[in-house]
Amino acid sequence: TQLLEQSPQFLSIQEGENLTVYCNSSSVFSSLQWYRQEPGEGPVLLVTVVTGGEVKKLKRLTFQFGDARKDSSLHITAAQPGDTGLYLCAGHRGGATNKLIFGTGTLLAVQP
Amino acid sequence: GAVVSQHPSRVICKSGTSVKIECRSLDFQATTMFWYRQFPKQSLMLMATSNEGSKATYEQGVEKDKFLINHASLTLSTLTVTSAHPEDSSFYICSARTGGYYGYTFGSGTRLTVV
Repeated sequence: TQLLEQSPQFLSIQEGENLTVYCNSSSVFSSLQWYRQEPGEGPVLLVTVVTGGEVKKLKRLTFQFGDARKDSSLHITAAQPGDTGLYLCAGHRGGATNKLIFGTGTLLAVQP
Repeated sequence: GAVVSQHPSRVICKSGTSVKIECRSLDFQATTMFWYRQFPKQSLMLMATSNEGSKATYEQGVEKDKFLINHASLTLSTLTVTSAHPEDSSFYICSARTGGYYGYTFGSGTRLTVV
């Protein structure tokens, strides 16, 4: 069972366009992270959000954690071809081991 | 920063053989490591949590006799795919807890192809 659903699953846009990726769950997470993964590589951490309602910005990327800590969004402004990749949200389950559960993923392609 | 080295990066094996994948923390000690499996263009599915000096904790549906995990030292965890079959072909990724409660570092993955 995938606890974190991402939408859209696939997204192909032109350079310069804006986009938003959503990460939704019926469960509460202690915190949530966003990763970007390129083919044949492991995921690379973009951001960690901990507090409900928190907003973080990383250059052209804006991340928001829902007030109830069940959902999150990633907004990219003026997308560039270098933004192409698989975007993954991941929620922490808490507890001693603090397992990381990944979302279903969003494959983004930015065309030049 | 923290580095996790995964080896091999690619491996091809014959059906029925076993394959071992290593995950090493290069500059830090990792009491907990995680193993994930990923199919093309899909997300990472957690297989198991590897704890140094104790048995691994497997996620529901993952065959522990099929995917043997050993975490004998603070810097090394291994995943052995036993009696591999073509359906075991996948991208396997490990990660380790690094500094802080939310810190994770991922290996670069191992592409396993069973022929």
